[in-house]
Amino acid sequence: AQKVTQAQTEISVVEKEDVTLDCVYETRDTTYYLFWYKQPPSGELVFLIRRNSFDEQNEISGRYSWNFQKSTSSFNFTITASQVVDSAVYFCALSEAQGNAGNMLTFGGGTRLMVKP
Amino acid sequence: DAGVTQSPTHLIKTRGQQVTLRCSPISGHKSVSWYQQVLGQGPQFIFQYYEKEERGRGNFPDRFSARQFPNYSSELNVNALLLGDSALYLCASSFFGQGQETQYFGPGTRLLVL
Repeated sequence: AQKVTQAQTEISVVEKEDVTLDCVYETRDTTYYLFWYKQPPSGELVFLIRRNSFDEQNEISGRYSWNFQKSTSSFNFTITASQVVDSAVYFCALSEAQGNAGNMLTFGGGTRLMVKP
Repeated sequence: DAGVTQSPTHLIKTRGQQVTLRCSPISGHKSVSWYQQVLGQGPQFIFQYYEKEERGRGNFPDRFSARQFPNYSSELNVNALLLGDSALYLCASSFFGQGQETQYFGPGTRLLVL
């Protein structure tokens, strides 16, 4: 069975600090997909990034960067120079299914990030 | 283009009642999935539909049911409501419902069972 663990339930930083959100996953499949979503207080899950298991290249998008390491089954998310608008709950998720077998997402418990001015 | 839409936004019911939640996917998306998010936890998968057929079902009791219509919109029904059904119900859509696709979520319906 697949499992996603986000050990940090809550992180508080001061604006402009860098912060890393940890994500560790478990799966028996060799092909799988990892996602990060942001959930602001409004409740809607906002898609941030998708990674497939064959692509271990790190990715950077503005102040956001992601570090995928298959050897440690981790897919960590770093926000550089955090801003108050980054305050939200962040979820890491895993999808194992391929082809027509469906695309159920397994989510971690989320990390609440609070950025103080 | 419009994103995933859900209605109603909020709902208050009492124990034992029945509720119907509605979802319209992004235009062109044929797959809809439903998730339940209890306060303080990550979303839990309930159902996935593709082309009106159920493709996946999570570990939820038979009180939960869903269907998808020819226009790809979907309804989630919950019968005999329990206090524990109070949650944010999220709908997500994707083109074909395959694992490599990104699912895009709607704003959710907040259900409170008293």
